[in-house]
Amino acid sequence: AQTVTQSQPEMSVQEAETVTLSCTYDTSESDYYLFWYKQPPSRQMILVIRQEAYKQQNATENRFSVNFQKAAKSFSLKISDSQLGDAAMYFCAYSNYGGATNKLIFGTGTLLAVQP
Amino acid sequence: EPEVTQTPSHQVTQMGQEVILRCVPISNHLYFYWYRQILGQKVEFLVSFYNNEISEKSEIFDDQFSVERPDGSNFTLKIRSTKLEDSAMYFCASTTGDGIYEQYFGPGTRLTVT
Repeated sequence: AQTVTQSQPEMSVQEAETVTLSCTYDTSESDYYLFWYKQPPSRQMILVIRQEAYKQQNATENRFSVNFQKAAKSFSLKISDSQLGDAAMYFCAYSNYGGATNKLIFGTGTLLAVQP
Repeated sequence: EPEVTQTPSHQVTQMGQEVILRCVPISNHLYFYWYRQILGQKVEFLVSFYNNEISEKSEIFDDQFSVERPDGSNFTLKIRSTKLEDSAMYFCASTTGDGIYEQYFGPGTRLTVT
């Protein structure tokens, strides 16, 4: 069974600085998707970024980028120029590719605080 | 931009009562999901639904739970006899399933069982 591990329960960053959130996963599949979701206090789940395992190039979305290391099964999220609105819980998630359900398997989350 | 909607936003019920949580997925999506998040914990998969039947369910999804797509737009989760431990945030999600597997989440329904 696939698992997702986030070893940092809480992180803090100064506004305008850069922070990296860690995520590791375990799977025997070769094709899969990885995601970072943001959950602000409203508890809405917002997709931040997506990475297809077959793509070697790391995904980037504006100030958000990932460092995907397939061999190491590592998928970290880098937030550049942190803003107060980035403060939230961040969940790393895994999904199989091409399966019947493609359910998401989530990590336990990292609570990010942004200091002004 | 199309979005997943859920009603109600907050439901309070007494233990042993039946509740139905409603979701309207994005209209061209084919795969539908329910997830649960107990306060302070991670999001857990409950069930997936495709082509009018359950495609996978977790061990949490026991006989007290059922899902239905009664018409072309709604997707419901029913809990037959609620327990205190069913108190959680319930999220509905949907995806097209055509090779783009990112799931779009609704805003959630907070269920409180007293």
